[in-house]
Amino acid sequence: DIQMTQSPSSLSASVGDRVTISCQASQDISNYLNWYQQKPGEAPKLLIFDASNLKTGVPSRFSGSGSGTDFTFTINSLQPEDIATYYCQQYDNPIFTFGPGTKVDVK
Amino acid sequence: QVQLQESGPGLVKPSETLSLTCTVSGGSISSFYWSWLRQPAGKGLEWIGRLYTSASVLYNPALMSRVTMSLDTPKNQFSLKLTSMTAADTAVYYCARGGPYGSGVLDFWGQGILVTVSS
Repeated sequence: DIQMTQSPSSLSASVGDRVTISCQASQDISNYLNWYQQKPGEAPKLLIFDASNLKTGVPSRFSGSGSGTDFTFTINSLQPEDIATYYCQQYDNPIFTFGPGTKVDVK
Repeated sequence: QVQLQESGPGLVKPSETLSLTCTVSGGSISSFYWSWLRQPAGKGLEWIGRLYTSASVLYNPALMSRVTMSLDTPKNQFSLKLTSMTAADTAVYYCARGGPYGSGVLDFWGQGILVTVSS
């Protein structure tokens, strides 16, 4: 299986800040990388697919980049409603695996 | 708008079999991939497996010996069976769709169902 790591495991930032989360795969996954947002008590929601494609309806302050083994997720201008845990997920290997998550808090 | 809803028991005894159903509304169950995932309290997401048809299934090797998934196209439902349940299987179980962006791009999720394993 492909192992996914994320850093940091948690962060706290101010409203309006730019937030960056890293995700690393244990082997080359091309761009088969998705990002999900999970708010407390809710199911995960797809934000970005194939590393950099924003799902329709997702605010443009969210973005993703990267390919191969290293990926970045960015929130430009953090909003209070962005408090959540963010997960990366690979699907290059048919056994889908997720990163451990990054919890984002607002100061 | 596609909606998914998990249903099944919230409490299962150790060694018993868990049976969950996911009902899909707002769209056809045909021509898409359907996954089951789970999340223990305070922990991350674990993918359990997916199916395209009842004959086209793929399970997480970690659970493969205990998992069966099937599709009921006329009812627009798919199901999960997990045998020999233990406390380690206590989790919120989700169903999700692998949509038009790709089989591994889970674009719609159910709200989740908490399953507790306890005698």
